[in-house]
Amino acid sequence: KAGVTQTPRYLIKTRGQQVTLSCSPISGHRSVSWYQQTPGQGLQFLFEYFSETQRNKGNFPGRFSGRQFSNSRSEMNVSTLELGDSALYLCASSSGQGAYEQYFGPGTRLTVT
Amino acid sequence: AQTVTQSQPEMSVQEAETVTLSCTYDTSESDYYLFWYKQPPSRQMILVIRQEAYKQQNATENRFSVNFQKAAKSFSLKISDSQLGDAAMYFCAYRSIKGNQGGKLIFGQGTELSVKP
Repeated sequence: KAGVTQTPRYLIKTRGQQVTLSCSPISGHRSVSWYQQTPGQGLQFLFEYFSETQRNKGNFPGRFSGRQFSNSRSEMNVSTLELGDSALYLCASSSGQGAYEQYFGPGTRLTVT
Repeated sequence: AQTVTQSQPEMSVQEAETVTLSCTYDTSESDYYLFWYKQPPSRQMILVIRQEAYKQQNATENRFSVNFQKAAKSFSLKISDSQLGDAAMYFCAYRSIKGNQGGKLIFGQGTELSVKP
C-alpha cells in the first residue's frame, strides 16, 4: 500500500499571501489529521477530518481551515500568512476506527518571508 | 485537558546498549491510547509502538518495549541493542478514546536520542 503523500514538499510564501497544502491518505483510510510542528511550540494539532466532516479542531485562528473530499484527500488552507506560520505541516492518515494509529506523511515545509 | 511531558530533551546511548526514554502524562480519563513515534532527520514521523490503557501487559515490538504504569501515569520506552539507525527525535503521544477526540494526538516535547558507535 502506498503511504501518505503530501504536496508540495517545500513552499516559500510572502507575508499576507495564502497557501493551500494537500494530503492524500493511505488507501481505505477515512480520517486525516493535520499538525503544525515548530521548534518553539512543538507538535500541535490543527484539525481532523473524517468522511468529509471536520470532527475536531485545535486552538488555531480562523485563518487556518481545511476540507476533505469524497476520496478522503484533504487540503489545508492558511490565509493572510504571518511570519509565525513558518513551520513543518504534517498530515496523518488513519482508519478512523479502533486503535486509530495515525500514519504520517513526509510533511510540507512552509517558509513565510 | 490532557498533557504529555518528556523530561529528557536529549539522551545518548552506546551502540548495542539499552536506553530508556521517559514520558509522563496527565489525564482524568480511564481509557486511552499511548504511542511512541520516531522522527529521524528526514522528518518523517514513524509509529514505533502503541499501548492501550485497558491492557495491563506492556507492549513490545522487536527491540522496542514499553513500561506502562497506569497509576503513576508513566509510559517509558526501552530500546534494546541500540543501532545507529535508532538515532532520532522520539515523541510520546496520547490519544483519547472519545469519538470526537479520536483524531487528535497530544505530543510531548520530544527526546533527541543519539547513538554512539
